[in-house]
Amino acid sequence: DQQVKQNSPSLSVQEGRISILNCDYTNSMFDYFLWYKKYPAEGPTFLISISSIKDKNEDGRFTVFLNKSAKHLSLHIVPSQPGDSAVYFCAASAQTNAGKSTFGDGTTLTVKP
Amino acid sequence: NAGVTQTPKFRILKIGQSMTLQCTQDMNHNYMYWYRQDPGMGLKLIYYSVGAGITDKGEVPNGYNVSRSTTEDFPLRLELAAPSQTSVYFCASSYRIYNSPLHFGNGTRLTVT
Repeated sequence: DQQVKQNSPSLSVQEGRISILNCDYTNSMFDYFLWYKKYPAEGPTFLISISSIKDKNEDGRFTVFLNKSAKHLSLHIVPSQPGDSAVYFCAASAQTNAGKSTFGDGTTLTVKP
Repeated sequence: NAGVTQTPKFRILKIGQSMTLQCTQDMNHNYMYWYRQDPGMGLKLIYYSVGAGITDKGEVPNGYNVSRSTTEDFPLRLELAAPSQTSVYFCASSYRIYNSPLHFGNGTRLTVT
């Protein structure tokens, strides 16, 4: 049973427009959520996180929204830039599970010039 | 600041051979992790460590062993390699085990034939 799901394997957007990446989870004990960005032949790098006590966290062009009742979070990138083209992983953790992260399968974002 | 360093970057093994994937970090993090990523999939936790001398199994530990003799190093041992262990292996570290992002190395791409 996959506890963290990213249902869109890929997303293509035009430069300057908004990119919205989605993530759903099933475990109600998850209380800390992160997004990582991964370029080819590199390790994932941390992008932004959100605690379950918040419903929004913003960092520059990146905003993460959390809807606990729907067990859904989304990452908004505005405006999208070609350098944002990468694989984006959603991850979730629970304090009750020693904080170990569970990852989704990733969404490949392509931003076209 | 090197962060998390993994060696080797690539390796081809024959079925039944053994090898050790090396991982070292210079951030003085107590928490270290080994993940594997299969094509098109998310990261699966193999083993983790909360400090020198302490290790525990993750989601997919079979066929692997770890040790943690120092804060800096967390090697992953593959005994009797099998084709199912063909994957990209990522080592990571974190400042806290919970509510703290992971810092990843650039991975080791392993092929078992």
